[in-house]
Amino acid sequence: KQEVTQIPAALSVPEGENLVLNCSFTDSAIYNLQWFRQDPGKGLTSLLLIQSSQREQTSGRLNASLDKSSGRSTLYIAASQPGDSATYLCAVERYGGSQGNLIFGKGTKLSVKP
Amino acid sequence: SQTIHQWPATLVQPVGSPLSLECTVEGTSNPNLYWYRQAAGRGLQLLFYSVGIGQISSEVPQNLSASRPQDRQFILSSKKLLLSDSGFYLCAWSVDRAHEQYFGPGTRLTVT
Repeated sequence: KQEVTQIPAALSVPEGENLVLNCSFTDSAIYNLQWFRQDPGKGLTSLLLIQSSQREQTSGRLNASLDKSSGRSTLYIAASQPGDSATYLCAVERYGGSQGNLIFGKGTKLSVKP
Repeated sequence: SQTIHQWPATLVQPVGSPLSLECTVEGTSNPNLYWYRQAAGRGLQLLFYSVGIGQISSEVPQNLSASRPQDRQFILSSKKLLLSDSGFYLCAWSVDRAHEQYFGPGTRLTVT
């Protein structure tokens, strides 16, 4: 059974700091991995999608890496800003699983202090 | 560009009452559609997905059902709500499983 864990559960950093969010998964047979952000009471915003054949994806100040063999992904946020404050979720889609069945972690709640 | 809508935004319903949540997508055709639930203290869980009109697959046994009467419309229903149905319901769409899933704004359901 695929399980996704995100550590830490919460993180508080001063503005301008670079930071790394971690995601681990128990079954390396994944189709892809996706990072999202969720603002309080809102839906999810897709940040990055990494296919199983890829090692990393970049978008602006965000860089996500994927190491399937070790069951890990990291989301690197450069020069953090107060507007980055949100809960960050990672999700994997398992090979052989139902189409589009993303297995989510419980998220890391990020707070960037001005 | 594509947009996804959900309504209502919030809903408070008594136990035993019926439920109908609606999701519509604009700007794309034949999308894959998904219903997720985010319960307090728990992660997001896939409830239903659909790859076409009238094609619904359920991931977990439950008190809910889904329908897709039109290409870009996805409806989540219940005949009799339970307290355990409370949660944040999110609809999502994707081109196919190789592409990102895009989520709607969600519906907060409280069953009293």
